[in-house]
Amino acid sequence: EAQVTQNPRYLITVTGKKLTVTCSQNMNHEYMSWYRQDPGLGLRQIYYSMNVEVTDKGDVPEGYKVSRKEKRNFPLILESPSPNQTSLYFCASSHATSQSSYNEQFFGPGTRLTVL
Amino acid sequence: QKEVEQNSGPLSVPEGAIASLNCTYSDRGSQSFFWYRQYSGKSPELIMSIYSNGDKEDGRFTAQLNKASQYVSLLIRDSQPSDSATYLCAVVDNAGNMLTFGGGTRLMVKP
Repeated sequence: EAQVTQNPRYLITVTGKKLTVTCSQNMNHEYMSWYRQDPGLGLRQIYYSMNVEVTDKGDVPEGYKVSRKEKRNFPLILESPSPNQTSLYFCASSHATSQSSYNEQFFGPGTRLTVL
Repeated sequence: QKEVEQNSGPLSVPEGAIASLNCTYSDRGSQSFFWYRQYSGKSPELIMSIYSNGDKEDGRFTAQLNKASQYVSLLIRDSQPSDSATYLCAVVDNAGNMLTFGGGTRLMVKP
């Protein structure tokens, strides 16, 4: 089954304790992205990756890191989480073409993060 | 800052009616436009994509794009209670690298 998986699905942590949210896709997609979703603010892009070893900042990259060492995986790293990073996080992937990196994006199930 | 604007709603329509959802965007060079549906607590799922001016129909859904006026809309015909969800408009920038979402419109279809 074609899918994007995220782990963990729920996480409660404390300020300053490093954490990683994993994202994996089995569709051989070139493009992967991380979003956060907050009430009233919609989905905002954190980082994206157009292929292995190619990453770039989205709209709200502060406080986050990513890496793309393998095509299927795109982990999101919070080195020192703060309460304002409490949010619902989605990973997404899509097949990239020469016209656009965006065709149909497939979203993971989401990770609800609470930072105390 | 590229912006995508949607009325947050809720938009309430009776079952069987046409629901009309609108979206405006600020980047005149935007090239690709998407409508996603998101049920409460779930991840977004793509329902329509449109790339050129005019209408695109898929079943009960019609997407309309007007690049000169910088708006894109989604019509849902014969609305069903199962269509009740938040609808997200998403726009790709001129370079084809950044995807910006609107805040979403909450649709409620009443039986």
